[in-house]
Amino acid sequence: NAGVTQTPKFQVLKTGQSMTLQCAQDMNHNSMYWYRQDPGMGLRLIYYSASEGTTDKGEVPNGYNVSRLNKREFSLRLESAAPSQTSVYFCASQTTGQLNTEAFFGQGTRLTVV
Amino acid sequence: QQQVKQSPQSLIVQKGGIPIINCAYENTAFDYFPWYQQFPGKGPALLIAIRPDVSEKKEGRFTISFNKSAKQFSLHIMDSQPGDSATYFCAASIEGSSNTGKLIFGQGTTLQVKP
Repeated sequence: NAGVTQTPKFQVLKTGQSMTLQCAQDMNHNSMYWYRQDPGMGLRLIYYSASEGTTDKGEVPNGYNVSRLNKREFSLRLESAAPSQTSVYFCASQTTGQLNTEAFFGQGTRLTVV
Repeated sequence: QQQVKQSPQSLIVQKGGIPIINCAYENTAFDYFPWYQQFPGKGPALLIAIRPDVSEKKEGRFTISFNKSAKQFSLHIMDSQPGDSATYFCAASIEGSSNTGKLIFGQGTTLQVKP
């Protein structure tokens, strides 16, 4: 079982460059999420999508855009990368609207902006 | 504003010891409290979770203790093993009728279990 797959695993960008982080899940989950992980700050929610065609801001959305392409795929775009966006990015998916469900995370994308 | 505060930041114990990681939350609307385990280079994975209608939950060597009045919960690892060395995150969310699955994470605790 693939679960949640993120690409790329590593990326180095120059300040001002743009890129898209890709995420796909094969568990038929309705909800998908993008988190960033920074030392001493845990994981913070950037954006989430409760269903295909809907997206909502999380705690730290500035500088990012997202697209829920279909039920399986949820991408995160940095239009003009800044050093403050150096982080490890995690995509997650989950079935919501019912109790006792679990969020599954991808293996992460380590992004460095120089 | 950190809605879920986790301590300690790091912890070193000997094999067989009982590390304890503590979390405190502010929002009384939280009704689901999971703990995630993360190994280097991997994504977090659900370890154990609790809801505020119970004060304790055990799964194998892992136990969550929950104190609703104090708005605190903690993870205990019994008979810790070197393989338990990882980063642990507590989290909180609101399930209820508007369940979005959004998780608020604590800052994380890096645990090292020495052989």
